[in-house]
Amino acid sequence: SAVISQKPSRDICQRGTSLTIQCQVDSQVTMMFWYRQQPGQSLTLIATANQGSEATYESGFVIDKFPISRPNLTFSTLTVSNMSPEDSSIYLCSATLARGRSEAFFGQGTRLTVV
Amino acid sequence: RKEVEQDPGPFNVPEGATVAFNCTYSNSASQSFFWYRQDCRKEPKLLMSVYSSGNEDGRFTAQLNRASQYISLLIRDSKLSDSATYLCVVNNPSGGYQKVTFGTGTKLQVIP
Repeated sequence: SAVISQKPSRDICQRGTSLTIQCQVDSQVTMMFWYRQQPGQSLTLIATANQGSEATYESGFVIDKFPISRPNLTFSTLTVSNMSPEDSSIYLCSATLARGRSEAFFGQGTRLTVV
Repeated sequence: RKEVEQDPGPFNVPEGATVAFNCTYSNSASQSFFWYRQDCRKEPKLLMSVYSSGNEDGRFTAQLNRASQYISLLIRDSKLSDSATYLCVVNNPSGGYQKVTFGTGTKLQVIP
């Protein structure tokens, strides 16, 4: 299994500012992902964090708005840029340990409120 | 059609009841399947993997039907503590890696 530490756990931010969320995994992982979960909704994949290269973004998400870094196998950051109230959501980091049938592990999430 | 579809519920059942959730997926190349549980304001956690032969873990039974592309979860003798949202999860091959896709979740409320 894997333990994923995500921080901050919550934040209240002014519109127009940016917030960087950090994700640290205690195991050697293959894949790391970032999700968004809006109130009452399921998880939506934002992007796959690729080690040492640009993240792979899902439709509707762009690098300028959600820049992602993954400098090594066990650490990744997601920045929510130029925030607006519509960005208020829970952001979750996830990782899988192996290819194929591996389950996904999750960080505790970052509850973001933009005012 | 969504990649993974679930009945959002809510399912309100009395304690001790048996409840079943279904989930359908659209990609016939999907390789692995899971049920996750998410409690309110918490991150999702793995409940069980779903294997072609079906698998059971205590009161929980998961089934996979590849021909019809659906997955089921059966909960017997429901407990109050089973109240949560149950997420169907499918791993699809995508560009050399596994893409994890979540269903919208089915909310279960077990009533005393």
